[in-house]
Amino acid sequence: LAKTTQPISMDSYEGQEVNITCSHNNIATNDYITWYQQFPSQGPRFIIQGYKTKVTNEVASLFIPADRKSSTLSLPRVSLSDTAVYYCLVGRNTDKLIFGTGTRLQVFP
Amino acid sequence: DAGVIQSPRHEVTEMGQEVTLRCKPISGHDYLFWYRQTMMRGLELLIYFNNNVPIDDSGMPEDRFSAKMPNASFSTLKIQPSEPRDSAVYFCASSFGLRDSPYGYTFGSGTRLTVV
Repeated sequence: LAKTTQPISMDSYEGQEVNITCSHNNIATNDYITWYQQFPSQGPRFIIQGYKTKVTNEVASLFIPADRKSSTLSLPRVSLSDTAVYYCLVGRNTDKLIFGTGTRLQVFP
Repeated sequence: DAGVIQSPRHEVTEMGQEVTLRCKPISGHDYLFWYRQTMMRGLELLIYFNNNVPIDDSGMPEDRFSAKMPNASFSTLKIQPSEPRDSAVYFCASSFGLRDSPYGYTFGSGTRLTVV
């Protein structure tokens, strides 16, 4: 499984765009990049998954450069309710999900 | 669908007692996972099943832990005997596919276990 590195914590204010970058230098050809969100006292929730370029859904966008050695989760116009831990996971479709420590995002009013 | 349902939400037990955690996955999902979360160790995968068959239990801490999935709609995680270091939040998750589902894993609300 590819090792991932992401910031331990980030702060933001309501209405701002937040970008969380994850490094995965040893990503393999068949690996996908997946992001989960975990609110306090809840289980993680799938946000978005991608392989290359850009993926967008109603929650976030995922930007993946050509070399795929990093990825950036972009949350547009965050609100207080986006305060959570965000996990970046990299692996193949045959890999189980192994969570790292994630990035703790705190959104202030 | 009501999502992944876990019970109980909270469990307080004395050291040495048997604890059973329960999970009902989403109907139609063919994978079921048990995770444990603590402040010190984060989210750990304990075991997962595919079509009711245990596939990987390498994360189960020791023989005191056991998990079963007698049918597609029910799974249990049992700790016998329980110890204070087992105190954690235990999550059950289910998925259609190991990792290639476009919707990822669906987690339950967890069971907060406290062993005193």
